Amino acid sequence: EAGVVQSPRYKIIEKKQPVAFWCNPISGHNTLYWYLQNLGQGPELLIRYENEEAVDDSQLPKDRFSAERLKGVDSTLKIQPAELGDSAVYLCASSPTSGAGTDTQYFGPGTRLTVL
Amino acid sequence: RKEVEQDPGPFNVPEGATVAFNCTYSNSASQSFFWYRQDCRKEPKLLMSVYSSGNEDGRFTAQLNRASQYISLLIRDSKLSDSATYLCAARGSQGNLIFGKGTKLSVKP
Repeated sequence: EAGVVQSPRYKIIEKKQPVAFWCNPISGHNTLYWYLQNLGQGPELLIRYENEEAVDDSQLPKDRFSAERLKGVDSTLKIQPAELGDSAVYLCASSPTSGAGTDTQYFGPGTRLTVL
Repeated sequence: RKEVEQDPGPFNVPEGATVAFNCTYSNSASQSFFWYRQDCRKEPKLLMSVYSSGNEDGRFTAQLNRASQYISLLIRDSKLSDSATYLCAARGSQGNLIFGKGTKLSVKP
């Protein structure tokens, strides 16, 4: 079974530029999460989707961050404009919505963003 | 106080040693807990789920103490390949995972 796919794996941009990250969850997983992980810290939730609906975006800095999951499968996270402090790893995770293992979240490899 | 706190580490242990990590959580309503392993520059990978008093998988044992609100992870007979950062997580009321900062383990020959 294919895991969570993310692209790009690495991105280097200058501050004030826009950037977008893409995530394809595990097939059949209706719940999708975007996390941010800073160096030496654990992942922190940015947004959670149930199908195409954002059910928890309370931690998403909405002035510059946006996300979408239009067809309830793939998701895109965007930052516009990027700031130096946005340098981090952006992790996507997915989980099943029914049956055993609904709590278990599976992470993608992440996108490592460097803002210069 | 952070919602999930872990021993800061690093833990440097010889091969074959037994090592234990503790993790405390502040939300008494949390029902599910997890230990993830994260290698350098890799994503977190689930090591163990803890729903009741504990769970055991080979050399790894996780225990949950609801009264004291902590979860522990015990690794017996440490291997070089166990070297990684171990993240503790509690499931929040919204379904997301709330992670600690992680504890770095280094197993030496």
